[in-house]
Amino acid sequence: AQRVTQPEKLLSVFKGAPVELKCNYSYSGSPELFWYVQYSRQRLQLLLRHISRESIKGFTADLNKGETSFHLKKPFAQEEDSAMYYCALTRTSGSRLTFGEGTQLTVNP
Amino acid sequence: SQTIHQWPATLVQPVGSPLSLECTVEGTSNPNLYWYRQAAGRGLQLLFYSVGIGQISSEVPQNLSASRPQDRQFILSSKKLLLSDSGFYLCASTDRRRDGYTFGSGTRLTVV
Repeated sequence: AQRVTQPEKLLSVFKGAPVELKCNYSYSGSPELFWYVQYSRQRLQLLLRHISRESIKGFTADLNKGETSFHLKKPFAQEEDSAMYYCALTRTSGSRLTFGEGTQLTVNP
Repeated sequence: SQTIHQWPATLVQPVGSPLSLECTVEGTSNPNLYWYRQAAGRGLQLLFYSVGIGQISSEVPQNLSASRPQDRQFILSSKKLLLSDSGFYLCASTDRRRDGYTFGSGTRLTVV
């Protein structure tokens, strides 16, 4: 069975500090990993996916198959990064997503 | 691009009352459709998914049911709500290219 774990429900950092949101997964095959974000009063939206290998809004995430992790990182957090972040996994593109519990990030001024 | 309309945004219902949440999709045809729930302190849990009209798969046994009467319409229902049905319900879809999810704005259900 596939499973996604985000160990931190809440994470608080100061503006300009580095931030890392942890995500670990369990899956026997080769999954696709995603990070979704929900800003206050907005819809859940895709932030980035591991196959794109891109940086969105300064965030990056590297898939580490050895450690089965897909941590989300940003070197300098901004106040507008405050949101709920979900790590998610799917077997193949378009099939059902399995989400982690989510991490509420707060960036303080 | 796809757009998902989901309503109502908030709902307060008494225990034992029926439920009907509706989700419609624009901008695509033959989407895969999903209902997720987020209970307090928990992540997003997949409840139902549908790959076509009348085709419903349930992920977890529960007090809820889903139906897909039209290609771009997905309905979540209950005959008698329980307190444990309270939560945030999200409708989602993937299009024919199966290239990423689009989410609705969600319904906050409180069963009292």
